[in-house]
Amino acid sequence: EVQLVQSGGKLVQPGGSLRLSCAASGFTVSSNYMSWVRQAPGKGLEWVSVIYSGGSTFYADSVKGRFTISRDNSMNTLYLQMNSLRAEDTAVYYCAREGTITISGVVIPRGYGMDVWGQGTTVTVS
Amino acid sequence: QSLLTQPPSASGTPGQRVTISCSGSSSNVGSNYVYWYQHIPGTAPKLLIYRNNQRPSGVPDRFSASKSGTSASLAISGLRSEDEAHYYCAAWDDSLRGLGVFGGGTKLTVL
Repeated sequence: EVQLVQSGGKLVQPGGSLRLSCAASGFTVSSNYMSWVRQAPGKGLEWVSVIYSGGSTFYADSVKGRFTISRDNSMNTLYLQMNSLRAEDTAVYYCAREGTITISGVVIPRGYGMDVWGQGTTVTVS
Repeated sequence: QSLLTQPPSASGTPGQRVTISCSGSSSNVGSNYVYWYQHIPGTAPKLLIYRNNQRPSGVPDRFSASKSGTSASLAISGLRSEDEAHYYCAAWDDSLRGLGVFGGGTKLTVL
């Protein structure tokens, strides 16, 4: 079964650090673009970070320099290292696979949208 | 303030057809594909539409979407109580390296 199982969310003090994990099964993390999306209380979805299959990483301005996305290919797991946490980082964090589509034999990364999501993990900074 | 603008709320009665709009600009909706997600609080978001108007397998054909210029819309026909959720449009933005952007979300209430 294709799924993502998340862990790591908890209550942390401002300025603290936390690492979120997202373990994949049924597919290979390193073969896909993988993203982190969060939802703060009462707010909408916010795209936080993405790691390409080739290893390039990108971040929202709100977390740039504080958060690091990475993956462990041997563990087939995605991570989000969060440092210098602020109250405004309080949110439910989701990991998601950006699915590929194949058109005329050409594999198009992320063309399918975020088709597999983790169950979410709550980070509270207070 | 999101780069993609959605109405904060929408409503309809069972069996009705409702539409949710998503307004962007030339750097996002106007030049990139639009995706739609359904999010029921407490659960993971679900992909409804990819590449402007394509439905993943398993998504009922009651859900449809279109795009024209810098605007997109999601239509839900034969409204059902289980459609009550938040709906988000999303698109890449040429000014955001690597990341996409979500609309602010629309809370759909089934009366």
